[in-house]
Amino acid sequence: KQEVTQIPAALSVPEGENLVLNCSFTDSAIYNLQWFRQDPGKGLTSLLLIQSSQREQTSGRLNASLDKSSGRSTLYIAASQPGDSATYLCAVSNDYKLSFGAGTTVTVRA
Amino acid sequence: DAGVIQSPRHEVTEMGQEVTLRCKPISGHDYLFWYRQTMMRGLELLIYFNNNVPIDDSGMPEDRFSAKMPNASFSTLKIQPSEPRDSAVYFCASTGPGGTYEQYFGPGTRLTVT
Repeated sequence: KQEVTQIPAALSVPEGENLVLNCSFTDSAIYNLQWFRQDPGKGLTSLLLIQSSQREQTSGRLNASLDKSSGRSTLYIAASQPGDSATYLCAVSNDYKLSFGAGTTVTVRA
Repeated sequence: DAGVIQSPRHEVTEMGQEVTLRCKPISGHDYLFWYRQTMMRGLELLIYFNNNVPIDDSGMPEDRFSAKMPNASFSTLKIQPSEPRDSAVYFCASTGPGGTYEQYFGPGTRLTVT
């Protein structure tokens, strides 16, 4: 069974600092890895999807890397803003089934 | 596209009552997923469909839970009878042709069973 771990569970940084969120998974036979954002009481918004054959994906201030052999992904958010405050979830896909980590709750202080 | 649509957004019911949650996937998507999110267990996949056919229901917790997809644009998740431990947020997601398998989530239904 795929196990997904996210560290740290919570993170508080001052505005402008870069964010580094970590995700690890136990089964490297994945189709892809998705990073989601979830605001309190809201649904999930897909941020980035990395295919198993890719090493990284970028979108604006977001960059996600994938090292499938070691079972790790990292989400970088540059120059954080208070609007980046949310819970960030990592999910890996085996076949079509997504397995989620517990998330990292980020607070960006103005 | 309107995205994945779920209804109702909030449901409060008494223990023992039947609850039906509804989902409309993104047009053209042929995979539909039902997830449940709780504080204790996080996000869990309950069941998923491909071309309206259930493929994997191993995450459905008990026989009290059932899901159907009568056509490509509609799915239901039913709980009968409901229990307080079913209180959670239920999400529907879909994905489609293109090979990326990126899943798009609906806003969720927050279910409270008293």
